[in-house]
Amino acid sequence: AQSVSQHNHHVILSEAASLELGCNYSYGGTVNLFWYVQYPGQHLQLLLKYFSGDPLVKGIKGFEAEFIKSKFSFNLRKPSVQWSDTAEYFCAVKEWDSGYALNFGKGTSLLVTP
Amino acid sequence: GAVVSQHPSRVICKSGTSVKIECRSLDFQATTMFWYRQFPKQSLMLMATSNEGSKATYEQGVEKDKFLINHASLTLSTLTVTSAHPEDSSFYICSARAANTGELFFGEGSRLTVL
Repeated sequence: AQSVSQHNHHVILSEAASLELGCNYSYGGTVNLFWYVQYPGQHLQLLLKYFSGDPLVKGIKGFEAEFIKSKFSFNLRKPSVQWSDTAEYFCAVKEWDSGYALNFGKGTSLLVTP
Repeated sequence: GAVVSQHPSRVICKSGTSVKIECRSLDFQATTMFWYRQFPKQSLMLMATSNEGSKATYEQGVEKDKFLINHASLTLSTLTVTSAHPEDSSFYICSARAANTGELFFGEGSRLTVL
């Protein structure tokens, strides 16, 4: 079965620091890739997604992610984090031929300190 | 953006009782809705996929008689946890796939505590 791995479970950064959250998946076929964010007390929101084309995807709030097919990775980055970026971040993968359900990673809890 | 509403957001019940959780797409039609379960510090685990007007498709290991799913309309799916036990305590999240765009939207989740 396909798995999605997020290597960092808890990350603490100071404001203005750069962020990179790792995400790897195990499926060898065509995939669609997503990053979701869940702010405290709120529902999951889509940050960005990759279906095809340019492997460097830009999302909302200054986030971007790069799909590296050879590494089965889709890491999330932000050059300079803000306190308001404190949230839980989930990587998700959908196998191209598996319908519409997503497989999620365990999530990474990001705390940005002032 | 599109909104998916779950109700109740929190529920506490006694062991042996049944609990119904509703998932509504408020401003779009959802042909497909998904129910996930999330344990503390764990990933969202897909429980079942429900299509409007047909029986839900359950993931392996999920008891369909325990977790009853009904998707009676294009804007409403319900999850009923029957004869709940403490091990059913969890965070249940639904997502809805918009019929026109295919985009997925998530509800805020429902935290079930079974005493």
